[in-house]
Amino acid sequence: IMLTQSPATLSVTPGESISLSCRASQSISTNLHWYQQKPNESPRVLIKYASQSISGIPSRFSGSGSGTDFTLNINRVEPEDFSVYYCQQSNSWPYTFGAGTKLELK
Amino acid sequence: EVQLQESGPGLVKPSQSLSLTCSVTGYSITSSYRWNWIRKFPGNKLEWMGYINSAGSTNYNPSLKSRISITRDTSKNQFFLQVNSVTTEDTATYYCAYTYYGYTPFAYWGQGTLVTVSS
Repeated sequence: IMLTQSPATLSVTPGESISLSCRASQSISTNLHWYQQKPNESPRVLIKYASQSISGIPSRFSGSGSGTDFTLNINRVEPEDFSVYYCQQSNSWPYTFGAGTKLELK
Repeated sequence: EVQLQESGPGLVKPSQSLSLTCSVTGYSITSSYRWNWIRKFPGNKLEWMGYINSAGSTNYNPSLKSRISITRDTSKNQFFLQVNSVTTEDTATYYCAYTYYGYTPFAYWGQGTLVTVSS
């Protein structure tokens, strides 16, 4: 299953609210997860099963979608949010990742 | 708290084998979960490579199936990755991570180890 993320890069200023897209090549129900990866760190899960929150993750992160179209929303971007975001499907093996969206400071 | 730590050579020559260890603390790898290897290439692409589960069964990415082996040493609570016949395209940061059973995300990851394939 291929996951297509867009945009590849998003330039924003702190305080803006944004949406990142992930599209699957076939239906994956809600078996879609979002990760954040900062330089020199491991990825961490932000959202599981398309829209379920994760303990310890700020509430400004939210997710939506099902089937083939998914969105990660960040409400009022904070300076520490500038990093790379990946989606990943767990509907069928081999599990696959999107190519990532880099969120950068404008 | 479950913790994972990768270790192994940082430099491997082309055509040789790449071997890495993931040491797990805080949980027995025979109790539950799937124990995975994932790699991140230069340029940010992530690839799931395979797993060994708590019963010792394995599942590999078909793109790597002929070159990869995941094994474990339960007495040391470690699992291992071997990739044969490496090329420069195997240069990546290698992570171990675990997943719960079911359609779950990669819950916890090690810090990763960079492996460069070069002569």
